[in-house]
Amino acid sequence: EDKVVQSPLSLVVHEGDTVTLNCSYEVTNFRSLLWYKQEKKAPTFLFMLTSSGIEKKSGRLSSILDKKELFSILNITATQTGDSAIYLCAVEDYGGSQGNLIFGKGTKLSVKP
Amino acid sequence: NAGVTQTPKFQVLKTGQSMTLQCAQDMNHEYMSWYRQDPGMGLRLIHYSVGAGITDQGEVPNGYNVSRSTTEDFPLRLLSAAPSQTSVYFCASSHDTEAFFGQGTRLTVV
Repeated sequence: EDKVVQSPLSLVVHEGDTVTLNCSYEVTNFRSLLWYKQEKKAPTFLFMLTSSGIEKKSGRLSSILDKKELFSILNITATQTGDSAIYLCAVEDYGGSQGNLIFGKGTKLSVKP
Repeated sequence: NAGVTQTPKFQVLKTGQSMTLQCAQDMNHEYMSWYRQDPGMGLRLIHYSVGAGITDQGEVPNGYNVSRSTTEDFPLRLLSAAPSQTSVYFCASSHDTEAFFGQGTRLTVV
């Protein structure tokens, strides 16, 4: 069964800390891995990763994919209270005629002042 | 718990046809939303609702209608399907910052 597992499920840090969020997957026909940030309302897209070893970077956030070991990490440096959110990892699976996103349960990050 | 249930999982429409994508949740969440997912892009918000009787437009609302007569149900209606609406659609419900997504509907408009 295809699955995406995120860890930890929740994390509490203080402003200025660096955090690493993990996402491992078992998917039959992998196409891409995506990270989202979910605050009060809609998730917002962060990164899409398709190739191993190529870091994607946006400000204090970065992410990398390892297709051999089947995982991705999302790093946030110098965390701010505005980084508090749930971070969703999703894998795009092209098994059969599907191609739906398989989401992990998310990591709830709380950044304390 | 069923969580968020979307139906159908797959649908093929002809241009100009109308249809309704169903979404139901049993978690008593106030916030529900519809997204579409296209290749190379992240989720894009179509419409959302913060409670029964209240709906609002998201990023890409054109060609879609929604209603929220009950807390549990949030159907998405395509008024006159167009090939540009070929996509995978996700319904989600949220409580505070936790989002629960349905498994998606793959819609093809020919």
